[in-house]
Amino acid sequence: AQSVTQPDIHITVSEGASLELRCNYSYGATPYLFWYVQSPGQGLQLLLKYFSGDTLVQGIKGFEAEFKRSQSSFNLRKPSVHWSDAAEYFCAVGVGDYKLSFGAGTTVTVRA
Amino acid sequence: EAQVTQNPRYLITVTGKKLTVTCSQNMNHEYMSWYRQDPGLGLRQIYYSMNVEVTDKGDVPEGYKVSRKEKRNFPLILESPSPNQTSLYFCASSTGIYTGELFFGEGSRLTVL
Repeated sequence: AQSVTQPDIHITVSEGASLELRCNYSYGATPYLFWYVQSPGQGLQLLLKYFSGDTLVQGIKGFEAEFKRSQSSFNLRKPSVHWSDAAEYFCAVGVGDYKLSFGAGTTVTVRA
Repeated sequence: EAQVTQNPRYLITVTGKKLTVTCSQNMNHEYMSWYRQDPGLGLRQIYYSMNVEVTDKGDVPEGYKVSRKEKRNFPLILESPSPNQTSLYFCASSTGIYTGELFFGEGSRLTVL
């Protein structure tokens, strides 16, 4: 079965600084990859997804992610963080059986 | 407005008292799924449905039942709730898990005493 690892439980970043959230997966083939964001008290919202093609994917809210097959990674980045980016971020991996596995999540705190 | 609606949003119940969490979507999505969210574990899939009358187990199906009699509804049934089912539950729907994004409900926080 596939698994998803988000090594960082909590990240604190200053407003205006760059942000990178790590995601590693274990699966033999290239999976479908997603990043979701959960604001406090809300459901999850899709930030971006990767199925194939260009390994650098652009998403909403100024986020991007890069798929690196050699490292089995799909890290999320944002060049300049805004206070509204404080949330929990989940990486998710899907394979060909209609199941979607989520990582444990990374909580992002933005300090002024 | 496109949305996934869950009810109840909050519920405190006692061990063994059957309960149902309803989920309804107004987007004509074929795919629906239930997740539970626990601290440090992320979201874990309970059951999913590819279409009406087609359901399958996710990673943590024990203690739960589902049904999909209509395309828009996908209720989660806890026949005999236990304290280890205390969790935050999310219903989600999609046109297809890989072709479209998952739209999530706002969550149902369940406490089993």
